[in-house]
Order: sequence, then structure tokens, then C-alpha cells
Amino acid sequence: EDKVVQSPLSLVVHEGDTVTLNCSYEVTNFRSLLWYKQEKKAPTFLFMLTSSGIEKKSGRLSSILDKKELFSILNITATQTGDSAVYLCARQGGSEKLVFGKGTKLTVNP
Amino acid sequence: DGGITQSPKYLFRKEGQNVTLSCEQNLNHDAMYWYRQDPGQGLRLIYYSQIVNDFQKGDIAEGYSVSREKKESFPLTVTSAQKNPTAFYLCASSIAALSLYNEQFFGPGTRLTVL
Repeated sequence: EDKVVQSPLSLVVHEGDTVTLNCSYEVTNFRSLLWYKQEKKAPTFLFMLTSSGIEKKSGRLSSILDKKELFSILNITATQTGDSAVYLCARQGGSEKLVFGKGTKLTVNP
Repeated sequence: DGGITQSPKYLFRKEGQNVTLSCEQNLNHDAMYWYRQDPGQGLRLIYYSQIVNDFQKGDIAEGYSVSREKKESFPLTVTSAQKNPTAFYLCASSIAALSLYNEQFFGPGTRLTVL
């Protein structure tokens, strides 16, 4: 069974801290790895990673993929309370289907 | 105003009743998907459709049914055979069913509570 494992499952930090969220996956015809942010309802797309070692960046968020070790990390620097959310990682395999991890719940306290 | 809409936002039903959740998109996307999310869990795929008049079972299709008569619409019926229907249901779409990289866009979700 294809699995995507995220860690930690939850994390509480203070504003200004830097956090690293982890995502490991099993590979079956790997195509891409995606990160989403889910605040209250609809997950919103953050990054799609297809190649190893190439960092994707958007403001204070960045992500990188290691296809050899089968994992990805999502970094958030100088966290703000608005970063509080569940961060979901998903792997796309041989079809258009995405397999999601359980998510990491990030709480940023003022 | 492009996007994916789901209705209703909240839905309450009595046990044993079938209920249909609506999902509409005006993004001209070929593929549409239904996911279920339970507390502390990730998204689990119920059904997906790559093209009109065609759909495939996902990982947890039992107790659910779908139709795809129009490109824009992909309604999900939760039948009385679904043992634990109370959950948050998310609909998504992606631009091309057979595209190499599949970024999915999500609707706002429907929270179904079965009493």
C-alpha cells in the first residue's frame, strides 16, 4: 500500500520560530510531491516538487525533495500566528491520484 | 469568479437516509475527485472521474455513489450502506486527467452529520 507519513503530527511554537515539517513516502511510479495548507476548510496549494535538490520558495515558506531518500521537508521561517494550520503532504504516483498523509497541525502562539 | 463550489456547507441527516452532496466547478477541468476527511486524519479518496460519463473507485468507495453527466458537476451520494458517514467531505478538480503533474484545487467542503 502506498503510504505518506508526516511528522510531527502536531507542533506548537512561538511567533518568530522556524519550523521544519517532514514528509516521507513510499515510491510507486513517483511523479510529484505536493504540499497544501489547510486552515479551516479547503486545502490551498503551496508547492509541487518533482526534482531532487531544487528548493521551491514562496516568501517565508520553502520546500525541497530528496527522491533518493524518499522524503520532503517544508520549512517556515519567522513564523506568524497566521501560519497556524494543518499542513498536508501528498504524493502523486502512476496516475492522477494523490495519496495524502495525515497532516501536521501547526499552532503558532503570539 | 472561477472556482469550485460545494453545497450545502453543513448537512444533517437521519441515519438510514441517502444524501447527495453537490460539487460544481467552472474551471473547465477534466478531472474531479471526492475525498473524505475525519478528525486527525488526512484526506482519503472516495471516487474520482477523469472524464464525463466515467468514474473510478478510490480507496474507500463502499457506501458511496457518484455520477458525472456534465463536465462541471460531480455529485456524491452517501447511501445508507455507509457505516460511518459523519465526516468532512471535500471535492477537488484538476486541469487534465492525464497530465503528468496534477495540482488539485479544492472546494470549501461539506460537513455531514448523521444523527
